Amino acid sequence: NAGVTQTPKFRVLKTGQSMTLLCAQDMNHEYMYWYRQDPGMGLRLIHYSVGEGTTAKGEVPDGYNVSRLKKQNFLLGLESAAPSQTSVYFCASSPHAANEQYFGPGTRLTVT
Amino acid sequence: AQKITQTQPGMFVQEKEAVTLDCTYDTSDPSYGLFWYKQPSSGEMIFLIYQGSYDQQNATEGRYSLNFQKARKSANLVISASQLGDSAMYFCAMESFNKFYFGSGTKLNVKP
Repeated sequence: NAGVTQTPKFRVLKTGQSMTLLCAQDMNHEYMYWYRQDPGMGLRLIHYSVGEGTTAKGEVPDGYNVSRLKKQNFLLGLESAAPSQTSVYFCASSPHAANEQYFGPGTRLTVT
Repeated sequence: AQKITQTQPGMFVQEKEAVTLDCTYDTSDPSYGLFWYKQPSSGEMIFLIYQGSYDQQNATEGRYSLNFQKARKSANLVISASQLGDSAMYFCAMESFNKFYFGSGTKLNVKP
């Protein structure tokens, strides 16, 4: 039982490049979330999903896209990376909204 | 607008003493949830405690208790009998309208 996994763990991109971050959970959770954490700050919600095939915008969605084609996977895409997207990205899942979130280990992304 | 505020950037506590970490929130949602997470220097997010807005009693989990004062819109975390391993960042979070909002965190240092 792996819980929530994130791929990759680290990545360095050049400005303008694209990439996809993969989040996978094996707990059959309906809700999944993508956050970013900048130095000295709390987590900010980028996008979230309340079930397979659904996505919604969070607090800071600009520059990101997401997809939830399968219940267990939630993908975060950066179409044209910018230095302002340098951050640690966390994925989380939960059975429903008012419930503990289970977090992945994070992906450290640097955009140069 | 939904908002979470943590006004203590850093705190010190003597080992074995109790400490209170402050959190205030604002939301127009009549049904919301309040959470506390711990983030050690290793970076993972660890769930500590949850309080629902309709819960009559304050939540407790081992050495952690949540002092919920609904009229004041506060949800302070109390850690009893602090241990060296409690040194970490602590984040207050709120679930409201399916979205999560995190505070900026409090860095707790436990002194031997």
